[in-house]
Amino acid sequence: EVQLQESGPGLVKPSQSLSLTCSVTGYSITSNYWGWIRKFPGNKMEWMGYINYSGGTSYDPSLKSRISITRDTSKNQFFLQLNSVTTEDTATYYCARFNYGGYSDYWGQGVMVTVSS
Amino acid sequence: DIQMTQSPSFLSASVGERVTLNCRASQNINKYLDWYQQKLGEAPKLLIYNTNNLHTGIPSRFSGSGSGTDYTLTISSLQPEDVATYFCLQRYSWLTFGSGTKLEIK
Repeated sequence: EVQLQESGPGLVKPSQSLSLTCSVTGYSITSNYWGWIRKFPGNKMEWMGYINYSGGTSYDPSLKSRISITRDTSKNQFFLQLNSVTTEDTATYYCARFNYGGYSDYWGQGVMVTVSS
Repeated sequence: DIQMTQSPSFLSASVGERVTLNCRASQNINKYLDWYQQKLGEAPKLLIYNTNNLHTGIPSRFSGSGSGTDYTLTISSLQPEDVATYFCLQRYSWLTFGSGTKLEIK
């Protein structure tokens, strides 16, 4: 069974970088697409970007200057880095698999990140 | 950007009742619309993809329909385990989400 698990610090200071890891079991990240999505307080959800089977990336234009998604295929993990965070980046962050049909069929449980001094 | 308007934001219904949730897109999304269920503290679960395709393992009481800008998720007979928040996702142009419907048992 495909499982995804997010991990990372729950508290980040403003202007610093937010770094999260998504650990995948039951499926290789060298296939399909692997993305990050966040849910803000108040429940608005936002797609952030993805990394594909060959390491190519695509990002939401509104985040493009601040975001980087990378991977470590030896550990079957992919990563989110979001730079210059503000309090508006406070959210629950989810990682997810997008299959070749284009839809997301597996998600992690999410990790809550608060940006605060 | 394509905006997704989901309604209602909250719904209370009785066990066995037929329930309808709606998503409206700000432009035609050509049926690139998925529905998810999220229970408290759990990962979102895919229910329906591409408007009307039931994901593997999802009970047949869930169904989806729609076209153009208007899409519907129907639960034919509400069960206690269906208490959750439901949200839609359009994939026609980038990805944007509905704001969610919180479903409770009356």
